[in-house]
Amino acid sequence: KQEVTQIPAALSVPEGENLVLNCSFTDSAIYNLQWFRQDPGKGLTSLLLIQSSQREQTSGRLNASLDKSSGRSTLYIAASQPGDSATYLCAVRDSNYQLIWGAGTKLIIKP
Amino acid sequence: DTEVTQTPKHLVMGMTNKKSLKCEQHMGHRAMYWYKQKAKKPPELMFVYSYEKLSINESVPSRFSPECPNSSLLNLHLHALQPEDSALYLCASSQEGQGSLYGYTFGSGTRLTVV
Repeated sequence: KQEVTQIPAALSVPEGENLVLNCSFTDSAIYNLQWFRQDPGKGLTSLLLIQSSQREQTSGRLNASLDKSSGRSTLYIAASQPGDSATYLCAVRDSNYQLIWGAGTKLIIKP
Repeated sequence: DTEVTQTPKHLVMGMTNKKSLKCEQHMGHRAMYWYKQKAKKPPELMFVYSYEKLSINESVPSRFSPECPNSSLLNLHLHALQPEDSALYLCASSQEGQGSLYGYTFGSGTRLTVV
């Protein structure tokens, strides 16, 4: 059974720092991995989608990597801003086409 | 149009009420989903519609009744809910295709409170 883990559960950093959020999964048989952002009480915003055949995807200050063989993905945020404060969730599309979620990392960027 | 639109944004209902949540997308996506999310938890899948047919029901109580009238619209009918059903209800859509290469697009959710 696929399990997705996100570490750390919470992270607080000063504005301007570069940071890395981690996502690990137990079964490498995935179709893709998607990173989402969620502001309190709001819906989910898709940040990056990485196919199983890809190694990384970039969008602005965000870069997501995927190492399927080791069951790991990272989300790198460059030059963090207070507006980046949110909960970040990763989800893998498993071999049954289902979306399996991590518990999320709550990120606080201090001005 | 690259959005999933959910209405209403907020809903308060009594345990004897009947209400409906609505979800709409015009991206041509043929898979649509209802999720329930409690505070500080990831979303939990409730229902999946594929080509307007119910393909997955994750053992959801019958007081939740989904409906997909056409390829752009998804409803969730609510009746006789319990206070523990209070949550954020999220709708999502995705393209269907070989190997499920596509990502999900989520709406902004309906915050439901059952009193």
